[in-house]
Amino acid sequence: GAGVSQSPSNKVTEKGKDVELRCDPISGHTALYWYRQSLGQGLEFLIYFQGNSAPDKSGLPSDRFSAERTGGSVSTLTIQRTQQEDSAVYLCASSFTGRNSPLHFGNGTRLTVT
Amino acid sequence: QKEVEQDPGPLSVPEGAIVSLNCTYSNSAFQYFMWYRQYSRKGPELLMYTYSSGNKEDGRFTAQVDKSSKYISLFIRDSQPSDSATYLCATLGGGGSNYKLTFGKGTLLTVNP
Repeated sequence: GAGVSQSPSNKVTEKGKDVELRCDPISGHTALYWYRQSLGQGLEFLIYFQGNSAPDKSGLPSDRFSAERTGGSVSTLTIQRTQQEDSAVYLCASSFTGRNSPLHFGNGTRLTVT
Repeated sequence: QKEVEQDPGPLSVPEGAIVSLNCTYSNSAFQYFMWYRQYSRKGPELLMYTYSSGNKEDGRFTAQVDKSSKYISLFIRDSQPSDSATYLCATLGGGGSNYKLTFGKGTLLTVNP
C-alpha cells in the first residue's frame, strides 16, 4: 500500500515568511509524528498526534511552530516568521497505534530559509 | 549523557565484509529496539524491530540486544554496495514513553565494490 506522503519535497523561503508542510499518513494509522533532522543533530522529536489530538507537543522549539491534524488523517506543520536556524529536513511518520509500535517515515520536506 | 549513543563513523568496508553497527543506551525502561536505514535524501526505513534481549535475524541482517549492558547491535553479512546508507538505532520504552522513539545520531556506512 501507499506509504507516508509529504509535500512539498523541497521548500525555499525567505526569512520572515510563513511556511506550511503537509503530511498524509498511512491509511489506518492512528498515530502521527513530526521530527526534524538537521546535519549532525540526528532526529529531533517535535510533536505526536493520537487521532486529532496532540498529547505531546513538547518538542516544538518555539511558539512559531504549530501543527494540526484533521479527520484523523492529514497533518500540517506550520512555521511562522521563519528563521535561518529553521532550515532542516522535516520528517513525518505514522504508526498503527502509537503504543510500542514502529514508526514509518515519509521522505521529508527539505526546508531552506534564506 | 545522551539517552542513545551511536558512533557516527563514517565506516567504510569492502564488498562482502561483515559489518557491525552498535549503540548504547542509558534508560533501562527501554524495551523495544529498532534499526532504521536511511538513504541519501530519503526518509528512514524500518529494518529491524525487536523486543527485549536476544537476537533477531532477517536475511543478511541480525539485530542483537543485550539489556544487561544496554547495548544494541546490527550485523550485516555479505555486505553489498546497496547497503551503503546511514543506519540509525532507536529505542522505545514502557510507561510514559511508549510512543516516542529516541534515536541515535546514525552511522554512515559505505560498502565499496
